[in-house]
Amino acid sequence: AQSVTQLGSHVSVSEGALVLLRCNYSSSVPPYLFWYVQYPNQGLQLLLKYTSAATLVKGINGFEAEFKKSETSFHLTKPSAHMSDAAEYFCAVTTDAGGTSYGKLTFGQGTILTVHP
Amino acid sequence: DTGVSQDPRHKITKRGQNVTFRCDPISEHNRLYWYRQTLGQGPEFLTYFQNEAQLEKSRLLSDRFSAERPKGSFSTLEIQRTEQGDSAMYLCASSSPQGGGANVLTFGAGSRLTVL
Repeated sequence: AQSVTQLGSHVSVSEGALVLLRCNYSSSVPPYLFWYVQYPNQGLQLLLKYTSAATLVKGINGFEAEFKKSETSFHLTKPSAHMSDAAEYFCAVTTDAGGTSYGKLTFGQGTILTVHP
Repeated sequence: DTGVSQDPRHKITKRGQNVTFRCDPISEHNRLYWYRQTLGQGPEFLTYFQNEAQLEKSRLLSDRFSAERPKGSFSTLEIQRTEQGDSAMYLCASSSPQGGGANVLTFGAGSRLTVL
């Protein structure tokens, strides 16, 4: 079984400040990890993914995440927050089941990011 | 490529009524997924199709729920005898196999159900 824990349901930062959203996962096999962003009344948009290649993954809109196996973490960061980053962020995990593999994702509970002027 | 389309975007119904949601995936995607998202929670997997075959159903999908993808293109999710606990956002996603695993899902905007 696999699971995801996002630490902090709400994070508030000032515009221009560092954004750090925490995600810890649990998986009995090597995981694939994702960060999605959801704006109000919209679907989820993929920010970035880890697929067992480089441990530091760069995504869209200046976000990046680092896979740390020893800490079972995949925290999302952005050096300088922008007002447009205000949204809800979800970390998700899946594994390649082999054979007819598929992307059944297990999501965390989400972190709402607020950006203050 | 117009993305994943879902219809209707919002549905308000009375308890006990049946509702049906439609999802049109990205045309070249052979995999289609349904997820449910309740307020303050992350999406939860409901079911998955590869072409027209429904390959997995979550235990969350009670007997009142049925999903189809008759020709391997669009999909419908029907909820019979709706209950207030069914109120949620129903998300559809699609994907195509990618080398090296990591099946990347593209989500639609969702269909929000409110059961009164």
